[in-house]
Amino acid sequence: EDKVVQSPLSLVVHEGDTVTLNCSYEVTNFRSLLWYKQEKKAPTFLFMLTSSGIEKKSGRLSSILDKKELFSILNITATQTGDSAIYLCAVGSGGSNYKLTFGKGTLLTVNP
Amino acid sequence: SAVISQKPSRDICQRGTSLTIQCQVDSQVTMMFWYRQQPGQSLTLIATANQGSEATYESGFVIDKFPISRPNLTFSTLTVSNMSPEDSSIYLCSVDAPGLAGAYEQYFGPGTRLTVT
Repeated sequence: EDKVVQSPLSLVVHEGDTVTLNCSYEVTNFRSLLWYKQEKKAPTFLFMLTSSGIEKKSGRLSSILDKKELFSILNITATQTGDSAIYLCAVGSGGSNYKLTFGKGTLLTVNP
Repeated sequence: SAVISQKPSRDICQRGTSLTIQCQVDSQVTMMFWYRQQPGQSLTLIATANQGSEATYESGFVIDKFPISRPNLTFSTLTVSNMSPEDSSIYLCSVDAPGLAGAYEQYFGPGTRLTVT
């Protein structure tokens, strides 16, 4: 059975701190790893990673994938209160039966 | 990217009744997905709906309980049948669509918050 494990499950930081969120996985026929931010209802797409060692960056957020060790990290620098959300890691697997398996998420709270 | 809308955005239903959730996409997509997110939990895939074929259900989900229609490449419905309080969840529609870099990425609709009393 495909498995995605995120850590920590929750994290409280102060504005300006840097945080690192972790995602490890065990899936059959890996195709991609995706990060989402969920504030209210719908997750919003952040990154999709398919190749090891290539950092993806968007503003203060960055992410990298290690396909040998089967994990990814999401970094957020100079955190702001607006970064408070649940961050979800999902792994896409399968061929014609492609699907995403989600981790439980990391609840990030950024205090002023 | 893709813009996805869902109706209704929320509903409160009595046990034993059924609710049909609609998902509309602003572009033609091959694969549409239905997820459930129970309170305090992550997303769980219910089924994959491809146009012109029967939906493929994940373990623990059956067609009698969650019938799905996919009449064309921009629309799908999910029905939650014979509801019980355990069906209280957010139900999310999702599609694969090309992102800015051209690779296919998965986008989510705004969700339908269902409460069963």
